[in-house]
Amino acid sequence: GQNIDQPTEMTATEGAIVQINCTYQTSGFNGLFWYQQHAGEAPTFLSYNVLDGLEEKGRFSSFLSRSKGYSYLLLKELQMKDSASYLCAPMDSNYQLIWGAGTKLIIKP
Amino acid sequence: GAVVSQHPSWVICKSGTSVKIECRSLDFQATTMFWYRQFPKQSLMLMATSNEGSKATYEQGVEKDKFLINHASLTLSTLTVTSAHPEDSSFYICSARRGAGDVNEQFFGPGTRLTVL
Repeated sequence: GQNIDQPTEMTATEGAIVQINCTYQTSGFNGLFWYQQHAGEAPTFLSYNVLDGLEEKGRFSSFLSRSKGYSYLLLKELQMKDSASYLCAPMDSNYQLIWGAGTKLIIKP
Repeated sequence: GAVVSQHPSWVICKSGTSVKIECRSLDFQATTMFWYRQFPKQSLMLMATSNEGSKATYEQGVEKDKFLINHASLTLSTLTVTSAHPEDSSFYICSARRGAGDVNEQFFGPGTRLTVL
């Protein structure tokens, strides 16, 4: 079957760094997306990895290891507005995104 | 670029009525559009995938006669919830994907919150 495993909730301090891990199993693989979703809103795109390694984009970086079925999202210099759910979504062989429940990130001052 | 709109943003209706939700790609042509439903504190659930000019492909457990999808053009898809009931109350989100050659990214609309009384 296909599944996503992410921590349900994480807490971090403003200004700090946090890493959100994701392990996945899919039927085929066409890359992995990270989305941010604030409460009551639709997801917004953060990053896309299709090859192994680290992709850096400002305060956010995403890492992928295809052989391990593993990815992480690294958020630096945390701000209060980063409080949201972070969704790891691999794309399977049919180009469909597989969604988990996401990780709720709580930022404290 | 790559903006997707949804209308309405929220709707309240009586049980038994039908509700239509529109999803538009504003600045690109979407060969494929997706309809999701999300209940509070749960993951996005794909309801159906629609390609312009063809019938939608529904996920297992989603009633195609209840959730009517029309993808009549490359910029518009509609979802009609027929004979809505309180259990259909949810957050409905559409997304759109551009054609081949893109990164396969899905661009999401802002969502429609449906409340059925």
